[in-house]
Amino acid sequence: DTGVSQDPRHKITKRGQNVTFRCDPISEHNRLYWYRQTLGQGPEFLTYFQNEAQLEKSRLLSDRFSAERPKGSFSTLEIQRTEQGDSAMYLCASSPRPGPNTEAFFGQGTRLTVV
Amino acid sequence: GNSVTQMEGPVTLSEEAFLTINCTYTATGYPSLFWYVQYPGEGLQLLLKATKADDKGSNKGFEATYRKETTSFHLEKGSVQVSDSAVYFCALSDGTSYDKVIFGPGTSLSVIP
Repeated sequence: DTGVSQDPRHKITKRGQNVTFRCDPISEHNRLYWYRQTLGQGPEFLTYFQNEAQLEKSRLLSDRFSAERPKGSFSTLEIQRTEQGDSAMYLCASSPRPGPNTEAFFGQGTRLTVV
Repeated sequence: GNSVTQMEGPVTLSEEAFLTINCTYTATGYPSLFWYVQYPGEGLQLLLKATKADDKGSNKGFEATYRKETTSFHLEKGSVQVSDSAVYFCALSDGTSYDKVIFGPGTSLSVIP
């Protein structure tokens, strides 16, 4: 297992276009998180899945954002009608089980640039 | 709400210098505390963690002690190397909201030979 995989690594899009990112968590990790990291800031929580159920969404996730995790395996994050303010690194993380001793493993992220 | 504050960078040190990066937190309950590191061009990696008061996390020569009385989790290393140059994030997980991790803003460290 090579860890959490994210695709693409970089995406440049024109304002107003839709984009979709993919995250493949570590096998058998039932918890999956999406974060957004802007330049000079720490990652900010966006949303959380336990298996296929989306159980929490941040206020940061406007109605232009949607995430899915069909079948509880890979996840996608879609941004519709992109804006320049959406430019950021989008990080995915997975963990195997609940509890304070559980480590979240992060992917290398997808860097989105909206021009 | 829960939050993490850490010292602002960038921090520049000479090789073999002593490192301290301060971190304080605000949380309800009993959070777990973490230090993550992000090397240039790489993803976030867990550096060390502590899950209860007075626990000391350690890894690769780095240490941090969970201090409940001062709500702090300062990162220290006795002798830094050039390869330690990275951005360091203090973080917490409060265990009440699906264990999501709340990060501080990060501190950039540059170690010069």
